[in-house]
Amino acid sequence: EDQVTQSPEALRLQEGESSSLNCSYTVSGLRGLFWYRQDPGKGPEFLFTLYSAGEEKEKERLKATLTKKESFLHITAPKPEDSATYLCAVQAQTSGSRLTFGEGTQLTVNP
Amino acid sequence: EPEVTQTPSHQVTQMGQEVILRCVPISNHLYFYWYRQILGQKVEFLVSFYNNEISEKSEIFDDQFSVERPDGSNFTLKIRSTKLEDSAMYFCASSETVFGANTGELFFGEGSRLTVL
Repeated sequence: EDQVTQSPEALRLQEGESSSLNCSYTVSGLRGLFWYRQDPGKGPEFLFTLYSAGEEKEKERLKATLTKKESFLHITAPKPEDSATYLCAVQAQTSGSRLTFGEGTQLTVNP
Repeated sequence: EPEVTQTPSHQVTQMGQEVILRCVPISNHLYFYWYRQILGQKVEFLVSFYNNEISEKSEIFDDQFSVERPDGSNFTLKIRSTKLEDSAMYFCASSETVFGANTGELFFGEGSRLTVL
């Protein structure tokens, strides 16, 4: 069974204070690992797809990296508008198009 | 910017009643999905739909659930004989192509909150 575990559950940062979110996964053949952002009361918003260990993707203050067992979402000099829940999801080679999500990390950036 | 729209935003129903949740995917998208999120829990896959048929479904998606694309624009989730544990936020999503689906680049709607009393 595919499993995704995210840590920490919640993270509170000061504006400008860089940090990282972790996503550990167990999957029978990884097709892709995905990061989404979810604002309260909204649907998940796609951020990145990573396919193989060593791959990195960047978007503004966010950078996602991937190893064979985990992924990190690095947030550099965050701003209050980066406050959201960040979701990690995996797609297994044997699971068709379904995504298996983690429980998310709730990030709060204080001004 | 194109978006996935869902109605209703919130529905309250009595246990045992049937509900239909509606979604209008992005117009040129070919793959459609329903996910749900029980309060405080993970987003969970329910079903994917392509070429007018279910392509994959989870263990959650039993005979109580059905999906339909009644016309060229709407995609619906029907829940028969609702139970208390069906209370959740239901998200519709779509993607542009088969390959798009496999890149995880799903576009989600804002969700329909279902409360079963």
